[in-house]
Amino acid sequence: GEDVEQSLFLSVREGDSSVINCTYTDSSSTYLYWYKQEPGAGLQLLTYIFSNMDMKQDQRLTVLLNKKDKHLSLRIADTQTGDSAIYFCAERGSSNTGKLIFGQGTTLQVKP
Amino acid sequence: DTGVSQDPRHKITKRGQNVTFRCDPISEHNRLYWYRQTLGQGPEFLTYFQNEAQLEKSRLLSDRFSAERPKGSFSTLEIQRTEQGDSAMYLCASSPPAPDTQYFGPGTRLTVL
Repeated sequence: GEDVEQSLFLSVREGDSSVINCTYTDSSSTYLYWYKQEPGAGLQLLTYIFSNMDMKQDQRLTVLLNKKDKHLSLRIADTQTGDSAIYFCAERGSSNTGKLIFGQGTTLQVKP
Repeated sequence: DTGVSQDPRHKITKRGQNVTFRCDPISEHNRLYWYRQTLGQGPEFLTYFQNEAQLEKSRLLSDRFSAERPKGSFSTLEIQRTEQGDSAMYLCASSPPAPDTQYFGPGTRLTVL
């Protein structure tokens, strides 16, 4: 079956790098995504990576994909207090509809 | 581009009542999704539309739930005879034909008393 797992909590100091990890089970996933959710809000698409890539960089964000181990990570450089939020990893399900399978989310706490 | 909008943002209802939520996707996005999110969890897929056709429904979508997208633009999600277990955030997302990227609305938070 399709399943996505993330660690639940990460605390870092402002200015440090944050690394949020995710594992998934569906080896046929074509796209993997990172979303950010602030309290009471919807999900903001941060970045995504196609399964034939192993790295993608977008300003302060770096996504690493290890397809062999089914492991995805999101690195946030120079973490700011405004980065405090819940981060969700998601895989595109194997059905043709493109529905997303989400992890439980990692709460990132940034201390000043 | 104003993004995906949802209405209402909050809904409080009594058990047994019917509720309807509306989602307006980003224009020219032919794909529309509904998800449900409970506290401390990631969103769970409910249903999918491509244009006006409903192509997939989750097992989570009981007979009390119905969704429509009559003209391939906005969509509605109706819950009949609400139960306390229906309390959740209902999220709508839309996606263009390509690339395969879903953009979410702010959600409708439903509280069933």
